[in-house]
Amino acid sequence: AQSVTQLGSHVSVSEGALVLLRCNYSSSVPPYLFWYVQYPNQGLQLLLKYTSAATLVKGINGFEAEFKKSETSFHLTKPSAHMSDAAEYFCAVSAAGDYKLSFGAGTTVTVRA
Amino acid sequence: DTGVSQDPRHKITKRGQNVTFRCDPISEHNRLYWYRQTLGQGPEFLTYFQNEAQLEKSRLLSDRFSAERPKGSFSTLEIQRTEQGDSAMYLCASSLDTGRYEQYFGPGTRLTVT
Repeated sequence: AQSVTQLGSHVSVSEGALVLLRCNYSSSVPPYLFWYVQYPNQGLQLLLKYTSAATLVKGINGFEAEFKKSETSFHLTKPSAHMSDAAEYFCAVSAAGDYKLSFGAGTTVTVRA
Repeated sequence: DTGVSQDPRHKITKRGQNVTFRCDPISEHNRLYWYRQTLGQGPEFLTYFQNEAQLEKSRLLSDRFSAERPKGSFSTLEIQRTEQGDSAMYLCASSLDTGRYEQYFGPGTRLTVT
């Protein structure tokens, strides 16, 4: 079974500062990994995905994530936070051949002016 | 591509009533998924369809829940005899059946059971 742990339920950053959101996964087989963003009262929007190609994945809105098999991690970063990045972020995992996604509990990002 | 749509966006019902939600996937997507999200939590898988066939159901999907996808297009999720614990956001997602597994989500239906 796959599971995801997101370290830190809430992250506060200053505008222009680095955003780092941590995600660790457990999977018995090489996984597919995803980051989604959710704005209040909206559905989830895909930021980026890892599907066993390049370990450094670039996504939308300047976000990127690095897959590290040795650390079973898939941390999300953005070099410079913008006010519009304030939202909730979810890491999700799916094993090959298993179509459902297993989500972490989410990390809420607030951006200080 | 108009994205995944869900109707209604909000539903308030009294305990014991039945409710039905609709999801229209992206037109060329033949996989459709339902998830439930409670406050402060990530979405939890409920069930998924490949075309009109319901291929997997979570243990979260009690006997009071039923989902259908007639003709492999839109899907409905019905909850019978609603309970206060059913209050949540119900999310629908769709995907292609090729190997990328990226799912596209609708805006959700927020259910409040009073």
